[in-house]
Amino acid sequence: GAVVSQHPSWVICKSGTSVKIECRSLDFQATTMFWYRQFPKQSLMLMATSNEGSKATYEQGVEKDKFLINHASLTLSTLTVTSAHPEDSSFYICSVPRGEANSPLHFGNGTRLTVT
Amino acid sequence: AQSVTQLGSHVSVSEGALVLLRCNYSSSVPPYLFWYVQYPNQGLQLLLKYTSAATLVKGINGFEAEFKKSETSFHLTKPSAHMSDAAEYFCAVSVWDTGNQFYFGTGTSLTVIP
Repeated sequence: GAVVSQHPSWVICKSGTSVKIECRSLDFQATTMFWYRQFPKQSLMLMATSNEGSKATYEQGVEKDKFLINHASLTLSTLTVTSAHPEDSSFYICSVPRGEANSPLHFGNGTRLTVT
Repeated sequence: AQSVTQLGSHVSVSEGALVLLRCNYSSSVPPYLFWYVQYPNQGLQLLLKYTSAATLVKGINGFEAEFKKSETSFHLTKPSAHMSDAAEYFCAVSVWDTGNQFYFGTGTSLTVIP
C-alpha cells in the first residue's frame, strides 16, 4: 500500500487565491521531504527540501514567498501556493527519503493544480 | 557533479518486442541508481534499484537493469512489452555525500504499439 499520501489529487482555483497541498508519510518518521514540480512531458524539478522543525531549503529560482512550506511534524509537510497565477498551474509531487544511502524515494501520487 | 542522461525522450515498440530504455550517469562517487515509472497524473513508482549488491537487478513487472561501471550505464530492459507498460520512465541517481540528494533524468516516454 501507499506509504506517502498526498492530498488533494486535483485542485482548481481562481487567480489570486492560495492553495495548500498536504504530504503525509504514513509509515516513516520523515525529518526531510522533497517537493517537486513537473511540467507536461518533462522531468521532475526539485523545488525545495522540507525540514521538520526548521526552515525549508529552496532551490535556486524558486520563490520562497510564493511556495510556502511547513514541516510541522515528522509525518506531515505542506506546500502552500500563495496568490496563485495561471503560470503556477502544474503537477506537484512530494517524496519522502528514508535517510539511508541506498533507499529509494517514496512518492505521493501528486497534485494537479489548475489556476484559472 | 552528479547527473543522469536518458537517451531518447520517446521510444516506441511493438507489443511483444524487446524494451530498451537507456540511462547513463555521471558521478564522482559510487552511485545508487534507480528506475521509476510514472503513469498519467500519478506519482512515481519504483521499478528497481542498484545498490552495489549485484550488477544485474530485477524489478517489478518483468523489468531488469544492468549496471555497467565501465560504460557508466544502467539501461532498463524487458524482454516482451505489454500494452500496460506504456508510461513515462525516469532514471535517477542518489549520491549520499550530497545529503541523499536525488538527480533525475529527463524521462523516456514508452509507447507500445498493438
